[in-house]
Amino acid sequence: KNQVEQSPQSLIILEGKNCTLQCNYTVSPFSNLRWYKQDTGRGPVSLTIMTFSENTKSNGRYTATLDADTKQSSLHITASQLSDSASYICVVSDRGSTLGRLYFGRGTQLTVWP
Amino acid sequence: EADIYQTPRYLVIGTGKKITLECSQTMGHDKMYWYQQDPGMELHLIHYSYGVNSTEKGDLSSESTVSRIRTEHFPLTLESARPSHTSQYLCASSGRTSGSRSSYNEQFFGPGTRLTVL
Repeated sequence: KNQVEQSPQSLIILEGKNCTLQCNYTVSPFSNLRWYKQDTGRGPVSLTIMTFSENTKSNGRYTATLDADTKQSSLHITASQLSDSASYICVVSDRGSTLGRLYFGRGTQLTVWP
Repeated sequence: EADIYQTPRYLVIGTGKKITLECSQTMGHDKMYWYQQDPGMELHLIHYSYGVNSTEKGDLSSESTVSRIRTEHFPLTLESARPSHTSQYLCASSGRTSGSRSSYNEQFFGPGTRLTVL
């Protein structure tokens, strides 16, 4: 069964600190992996997208890594800001259909305290 | 920022009422999607469309229906709302328009409609 598991479920850090969120997946055949940021009451917004051949991608203070062999990804946030408080969702796409089916994790709820 | 819109943003309605959630996108995307999301849970695909006059049911069984008469418009209808329909509904679109991110068939999400059925 294709699944996406994220850890931790929730995380609280102080402003200015770094943190790393984890994502493990079993989706096959793999097409790409995306990290989304979802603010409370809003739709998800894409942060990074990585294909099989990419093992790291950055977007400002966000850096995502991908190990396609172990089927693991991480999202590292540096110098956290209060506005980083949100749910971070790992999404894996398969290439077994023309739809480009997406498998969603439940997200990591990040809270940044001043 | 993605040009995909949902209305209303919040809706509180009584049991048995018929409701339509609106979704529009101005990116010319051919594919559109409806997801249902409960607090702390993952998004579940309930409907999708490859293009005009094409609609399919997603993974999560839903009593809602959709239509795709125009490329930019993908409304979702509940004929008789029930408390079990209380949830957040997210619309998304994807397609091969200009821009490198579109090459991944990236889905762009609307802000969502928070539905509460009393």
